[in-house]
Amino acid sequence: AQSVTQPDIHITVSEGASLELRCNYSYGATPYLFWYVQSPGQGLQLLLKYFSGDTLVQGIKGFEAEFKRSQSSFNLRKPSVHWSDAAEYFCAVAANYGQNFVFGPGTRLSVLP
Amino acid sequence: DTGVSQDPRHKITKRGQNVTFRCDPISEHNRLYWYRQTLGQGPEFLTYFQNEAQLEKSRLLSDRFSAERPKGSFSTLEIQRTEQGDSAMYLCASSFATPNTGELFFGEGSRLTVL
Repeated sequence: AQSVTQPDIHITVSEGASLELRCNYSYGATPYLFWYVQSPGQGLQLLLKYFSGDTLVQGIKGFEAEFKRSQSSFNLRKPSVHWSDAAEYFCAVAANYGQNFVFGPGTRLSVLP
Repeated sequence: DTGVSQDPRHKITKRGQNVTFRCDPISEHNRLYWYRQTLGQGPEFLTYFQNEAQLEKSRLLSDRFSAERPKGSFSTLEIQRTEQGDSAMYLCASSFATPNTGELFFGEGSRLTVL
């Protein structure tokens, strides 16, 4: 069965600084990988996804993520964080195309003015 | 806006009572998922439907939990004889089966508090 770890429970960055959120997965075959964001009082929203092909994927709101098979990682990055990026970020892996997503525990991002 | 809607948004109940949550997915979506999220954790898969068929259930879904999607549109999640450990946010999501973009569209959730 697949699993996801997000080593950082809480990260604080200053507005304008760069951001990297870590995600490591465990799955025997080629995974389908996702990053979702959850703002307070709102539903989870897809930021980006990786199925195959180019290992650097671009998402919404200026986010990108890189799939590294050798490290079993799918880290999320943003070059310059905005105050509105403060939220909870979840990495997820799916064994089958679009079925039975397994989510990580999440990383809470705080942004200092 | 025709996103995923869940009702009620918040339910407080006493231990031992039954509760039911409703989810209305995006109308064109034929897959519907239920997840549970506790504080500080990511969503945990409970079950999913394709049209009216319940195709997969997690071991987390004990006998006290039942989900239905009778006409392949809205779904209900019922918890019987609630326990304090059932306190959580219950999330509903929907998606296309075909074409399968792999994206889940989530509702805002129904928060259950069991006293």
